[in-house]
Amino acid sequence: ETGVTQSPTHLIKTRGQQVTLRCSSQSGHNTVSWYQQALGQGPQFIFQYYREEENGRGNFPPRFSGLQFPNYSSELNVNALELDDSALYLCASSRTGGARLYEQYFGPGTRLTVT
Amino acid sequence: AQTVTQSQPEMSVQEAETVTLSCTYDTSENNYYLFWYKQPPSRQMILVIRQEAYKQQNATENRFSVNFQKAAKSFSLKISDSQLGDTAMYFCAFTNDRGSTLGRLYFGRGTQLTVWP
Repeated sequence: ETGVTQSPTHLIKTRGQQVTLRCSSQSGHNTVSWYQQALGQGPQFIFQYYREEENGRGNFPPRFSGLQFPNYSSELNVNALELDDSALYLCASSRTGGARLYEQYFGPGTRLTVT
Repeated sequence: AQTVTQSQPEMSVQEAETVTLSCTYDTSENNYYLFWYKQPPSRQMILVIRQEAYKQQNATENRFSVNFQKAAKSFSLKISDSQLGDTAMYFCAFTNDRGSTLGRLYFGRGTQLTVWP
């Protein structure tokens, strides 16, 4: 079973730029969630995608947007980058239905630095 | 609002000893799930153990076990026979099983556990 993968591993951007982060779900999983983890903090929920539609959103501005593709992979896009967007971005996939619904398996993350 | 509190920023334990990490949470829901995740320096968040709120029996996974006290909204993790590889940041997390926050994980701020030889 292939695990959750994310790309790139590290990224450095300038304030005001746009960035796209990518995530491939674990095999058999159809739900993807994105989290932002600032240094020294726990992850914060950004949004979740199920069957290519946004299925819940945390307290993040509209410049954070996402996509889910038919193969259940996903992208996180952030426009007009701010210094506070510097963080580790985690993608997690899960499978809906039954007892496994709430177990989210995480990727290794993308470390974004905004200068 | 759902909140998760981990009051111990750092803990340390000698190899082969037992350590307990604390977690409290706040919710008005009756049905929910609780988790402990481990994040080593590699950054990969790894699921350690889960507990369904409707189950009275405490979950156990090998050397890891929980003490779930629903009335007190407490969910502690006990690690027995600690190993050097247990060194990591440990996060307590919570999710509802219904409503607009379905499947959304709420995390505490984490406890950095160091296991010494």
